Amino acid sequence: GAVVSQHPSRVICKSGTSVKIECRSLDFQATTMFWYRQFPKQSLMLMATSNEGSKATYEQGVEKDKFLINHASLTLSTLTVTSAHPEDSSFYICSAGRANNQPQHFGDGTRLSIL
Amino acid sequence: GQQVMQIPQYQHVQEGEDFTTYCNSSTTLSNIQWYKQRPGGHPVFLIQLVKSGEVKKQKRLTFQFGEAKKNSSLHITATQTTDVGTYFCAGQPLNDYKLSFGAGTTVTVRA
Repeated sequence: GAVVSQHPSRVICKSGTSVKIECRSLDFQATTMFWYRQFPKQSLMLMATSNEGSKATYEQGVEKDKFLINHASLTLSTLTVTSAHPEDSSFYICSAGRANNQPQHFGDGTRLSIL
Repeated sequence: GQQVMQIPQYQHVQEGEDFTTYCNSSTTLSNIQWYKQRPGGHPVFLIQLVKSGEVKKQKRLTFQFGEAKKNSSLHITATQTTDVGTYFCAGQPLNDYKLSFGAGTTVTVRA
């Protein structure tokens, strides 16, 4: 069964709306989770590393004020896309591993469509 | 920064044929991982290679890690329609935990 749960699976909303996506590790504690964005027919691009109890680490070119990450517990990280615009439409996926050098378990992804 | 190159980007295969996808990293890796993503789905972990020169098999899939730990390959024999999807390699560099994904090889199969 799934070890990482991501919710919601699909969001369609108007431009200017803020959208929160949750990522939960179900049977292990994850001090680190990762958030990726994937455009159609492209690879996964790491957006940020979510660190439990501290600030997220963002990749170059990713606006931290646009993509707010909160990792308040060892099993939950959230990504909030603030004031979303059509160009933010994408497939957002989180992942977590039992340890940093262990394979990643991916959530089902969230397909975000901004009208 | 580290880059992982993966080729080919697309692989259209006759059912029953073999094919190989290749990954090359610009830097030495701690390990390399392979994932498969079905259309509309999320990446699913296939295997992790850690040792130099390592070869692992999963039924019709053979994974190799190069001696220098900078390249890897996935070879699929007797391709079936269930093999359809995109195969990604993901390299984890030394002294870092972030994965760098290759561009992926999207496999389609003709019966």
